[in-house]
Amino acid sequence: QKEVEQDPGPLSVPEGAIVSLNCTYSNSAFQYFMWYRQYSRKGPELLMYTYSSGNKEDGRFTAQVDKSSKYISLFIRDSQPSDSATYLCAMSVAGAGNNRKLIWGLGTSLAVNP
Amino acid sequence: DTEVTQTPKHLVMGMTNKKSLKCEQHMGHRAMYWYKQKAKKPPELMFVYSYEKLSINESVPSRFSPECPNSSLLNLHLHALQPEDSALYLCASSQDPGQARYEQYFGPGTRLTVT
Repeated sequence: QKEVEQDPGPLSVPEGAIVSLNCTYSNSAFQYFMWYRQYSRKGPELLMYTYSSGNKEDGRFTAQVDKSSKYISLFIRDSQPSDSATYLCAMSVAGAGNNRKLIWGLGTSLAVNP
Repeated sequence: DTEVTQTPKHLVMGMTNKKSLKCEQHMGHRAMYWYKQKAKKPPELMFVYSYEKLSINESVPSRFSPECPNSSLLNLHLHALQPEDSALYLCASSQDPGQARYEQYFGPGTRLTVT
């Protein structure tokens, strides 16, 4: 079993829909949770980061963390064609020495159709 | 400003060539990272520099040689690569490598093709 599970999709929705993207994890040592957006052939762009259980909102994006269920979500409201990208969840964990590493989900490919 | 820059954007090299990838950040971040990303896969960590010292090497073959000349610059020297090394190479930085809150900021990547 992978430490982080994320359905790769693809997910296709009409413009204006609410999109729900999810990841589950197995390691309770994960402390920080991030969502990245990656357009084709570009580097990942940090969208949201959260630490505690609960919701965090930024514009059309809401990140949700449920540590008791080991489940995180990203909601996109009023989705736009420009939201079409791959969305990757990532979680930080202690690595070698005093360094932390990111453990990644596979990424979910999202297409928002006009 | 959360910008990480990488040069070149594209690189084609033969298996006997020597080339270098460059990365720069001016956010005062003390950790810098090299990742390799294949199509439809998440980034795969290669190296971590913490306060300009190599702190993590994820068992990367010696044909990849990282260098951190100062706190703003990171290089990846390439030599005798194989076609399977063709990928998007990403540089990232974060404020403090040891903090739980240490979101990483990525550059646009260098798309490398080995012929």
